[in-house]
Amino acid sequence: SQQGEEDPQALSIQEGENATMNCSYKTSINNLQWYRQNSGRGLVHLILIRSNEREKHSGRLRVTLDTSKKSSSLLITASRAADTASYFCATDAGGNEKLTFGTGTRLTIIP
Amino acid sequence: GAVVSQHPSRVICKSGTSVKIECRSLDFQATTMFWYRQFPKKSLMLMATSNEGSKATYEQGVEKDKFLINHASLTLSTLTVTSAHPEDSSFYICKVRGLTNTEAFFGQGTRLTVV
Repeated sequence: SQQGEEDPQALSIQEGENATMNCSYKTSINNLQWYRQNSGRGLVHLILIRSNEREKHSGRLRVTLDTSKKSSSLLITASRAADTASYFCATDAGGNEKLTFGTGTRLTIIP
Repeated sequence: GAVVSQHPSRVICKSGTSVKIECRSLDFQATTMFWYRQFPKKSLMLMATSNEGSKATYEQGVEKDKFLINHASLTLSTLTVTSAHPEDSSFYICKVRGLTNTEAFFGQGTRLTVV
């Protein structure tokens, strides 16, 4: 069953601004992952954060995880037009890579 | 380069026919692969876990006779949509279990349209 909820469902910002997306989940997890999907295409793995980690960085990406609130956020700094895509969080409850995906955020960067 | 190759990327078929989708692990042997389905503008739903040399494990609500999975080798898993109906039209995507759980390798996806 789908356990992840993401907000906002859609986000439009000007190029250069920061974009923040949030993800909430319902059960305990082993790790949480963020993915990007361009329209009609496959998934690109962005970052994985383990349940014992609180924050992780990768380039312009910053991910936080609050296991007490069962939530995570993805921050994209200095957005670019190429960041336009849908972003999904996915949780791995058992560490076996069976992922449960969130509903996704459609991000549009306005040039 | 691509670690996982999924083929075809797009397919249109007539109602009642069967369609086979292939997922190949290019760089390493994959004992486990996963098949997901995505409806338009929706999230991905896990359909089944494909295990090399054994029967696939299907998620609740997924018809195993409708979606046949074969994982006959360490580099290839196939998903066959049998007796396709228009409601089977969807984006199907495979995922290969990585060598460590910090890696995640998805195929490029297959857009199936049943007319």
